[in-house]
Amino acid sequence: EVQLVESGGTLVQPGGSLRLSCAASGFTFSIHGMHWVRQAPGKGLEWVSYISNTGSTMNYADSVKGRFTVSRDNAKNSLFLQMNSLRVEDTAVYYCARLVSPDYWGQGTLVTVSS
Amino acid sequence: DIQMTQSPSSLSASVGDRVTITCRASQGISNYLAWYQYKSGKGPKVLIYGAFTLQSGVPSRFSGSGSGTDFTLTISSLQPEDVATYYCQKYNSAPWTFGQGTKVEIK
Repeated sequence: EVQLVESGGTLVQPGGSLRLSCAASGFTFSIHGMHWVRQAPGKGLEWVSYISNTGSTMNYADSVKGRFTVSRDNAKNSLFLQMNSLRVEDTAVYYCARLVSPDYWGQGTLVTVSS
Repeated sequence: DIQMTQSPSSLSASVGDRVTITCRASQGISNYLAWYQYKSGKGPKVLIYGAFTLQSGVPSRFSGSGSGTDFTLTISSLQPEDVATYYCQKYNSAPWTFGQGTKVEIK
């Protein structure tokens, strides 16, 4: 069974940092590009970041470019999102996902940025 | 960057109705377009990819069409379990932008 389990979400102050993790199992993680997608309260889905299967290519939404860094450890079947200089508008449920077909999604982890 | 515009933002239809949701890209994306269904309390799931290819296991009442800049998701006969928010997403290149979503309800 495919599983993606995110962790690391919590309450953090504006300007703070946070590292999200995603543990993958049930599929060959190392051959798939992976994404982070978020949903702010009452808003739609927003694509955040992509990393290729080898980690050689990373892409970011303009809203997070220069503040967020995606990485992965294929030996540990893990995906990460380092989030720095957090803003109130980064408050959202963050999902790790393999998109399109097949699509795999985690259950999400809530990041709240508030003073 | 290419913008993805969905319409309508919400709709209410009766069981058995034909429902159509449109998605327009600000520039051509060939057929690199996916449709997702997002039910409250569950994660999103892909319904259609490549603009018209039905994902395995998805009911045949869902269909997709279009190419270039204009795309359509059709539910041929709306069922109660189809209550959800539907999103289009481009995936020809980064950023992999989602549309703003269409909330579908039963009248």
